[in-house]
This record gives sequence, structure tokens and C-alpha cells, in this order.
Amino acid sequence: DAKTTQPTSMDCAEGRAANLPCNHSTISGNEYVYWYRQIHSQGPQYIIHGLKNNETNEMASLIITEDRKSSTLILPHATLRDTAVYYCIVRASGNTPLVFGKGTRLSVIA
Amino acid sequence: SAVISQKPSRDICQRGTSLTIQCQVDSQVTMMFWYRQQPGQSLTLIATANQGSEATYESGFVIDKFPISRPNLTFSTLTVSNMSPEDSSIYLCSVGAGARQPQHFGDGTRLSIL
Repeated sequence: DAKTTQPTSMDCAEGRAANLPCNHSTISGNEYVYWYRQIHSQGPQYIIHGLKNNETNEMASLIITEDRKSSTLILPHATLRDTAVYYCIVRASGNTPLVFGKGTRLSVIA
Repeated sequence: SAVISQKPSRDICQRGTSLTIQCQVDSQVTMMFWYRQQPGQSLTLIATANQGSEATYESGFVIDKFPISRPNLTFSTLTVSNMSPEDSSIYLCSVGAGARQPQHFGDGTRLSIL
């Protein structure tokens, strides 16, 4: 799987949009971009994934650049409950398991 | 998404003993995986649990230390053998439904070895 690069930590004011960047410059054509988050003392929670088109669900939006070398996860109105470690992972379709990097620790501040 | 239950949720064990962690899923799944998360670290894949055959282990993990069973499509166990304080970690079960489907995780088993 291609490697990803994320900032170690970020802060975001409550109620504002949280924009979490991810670089994946060596991504292959058949690899998807997945985002997960891990809130303290819980297992990782799936957020969203995409191949090349932008995606949106009830939790977040995923913006993937046209060259697919980077992406941004957007939490439109961050709350204190969104404080977590966010992982960006690239993964080929099929049954290959997720390989986790260090992720970004997002702190939402009141 | 699948509901994943792990037992026990936490345990404190003596060094030299072994503990078996159970993972139960509420639906049949193609893939089951076991991860370890050491204190303050990210998740590391231990092995893929294959139904009807031996598990596939990642580099650095061996069957004698982490034997895995998967008797059917909804259940798996991970045993942590001959435990030492370095095995103190969270052990997480994860399941996948196949191509282009996200993996889902249980809340893990928090293991402390004294």
C-alpha cells in the first residue's frame, strides 16, 4: 500500500470546519483513500472513503485532488466530540487489511 | 455495518500466563484481522484470520506467541501466550466484507501484564 503523510496535530475551534490534509503522492490507480478516527479508549471508526471523486456523507466530506496525490477530510462543524486521532489510509480494493500510520491528533477547542 | 463484540474488554494478567481473546461478529464476514496497539502508538497488524486454514502472520509476529483460530465466518480467537509486560497493549479485532467495503473494528481488549 502507498504511504501517507499527515500533520502530527491540529487544533480547531468548536463550530468551525476542521480541514485535515493528507498527502499520498505514490498512490496507485486502484487504491482508495480511507479515513478513520479513533476516539480515546475506542476502536477506530470508519468515516469515509473515495477513489477519485469527492464524497460526502453524514459525518464528513472527502476532497481528493485531480491528480489524486493528496486529499482533505472536512468536518463541517466540529464539536468537542470530534476530538480524536484521524487516520488517512490508502488501500487497494480487495481484501487487503488496513495499514495504519501515525495519524493526526485533532483537538477541538471550546 | 457489522457489530463486533470482544471479550474480555480488559484484563490484568500475571507474566508467564496466557489469555485468549474472543471476537464475535453479528453477521458472516469474509475477512477477520487482529491488530495490536501499544501504549501511545498506532495500530499494528498482527495477522489475518483465515477460515478453515492457518492464519497469515505479519513480520514480527509468530504463531507460537499469537495462535489464532477461526472456526467459522462469525468468530475468531487470539491467544497471547507466555505474556510479559511488553505485551501490555490493546488488542483489536477487525472485519472486512470484501472489495471496496470498509473494515470495521471492535472496541478492543485492554491487556495489562504485571
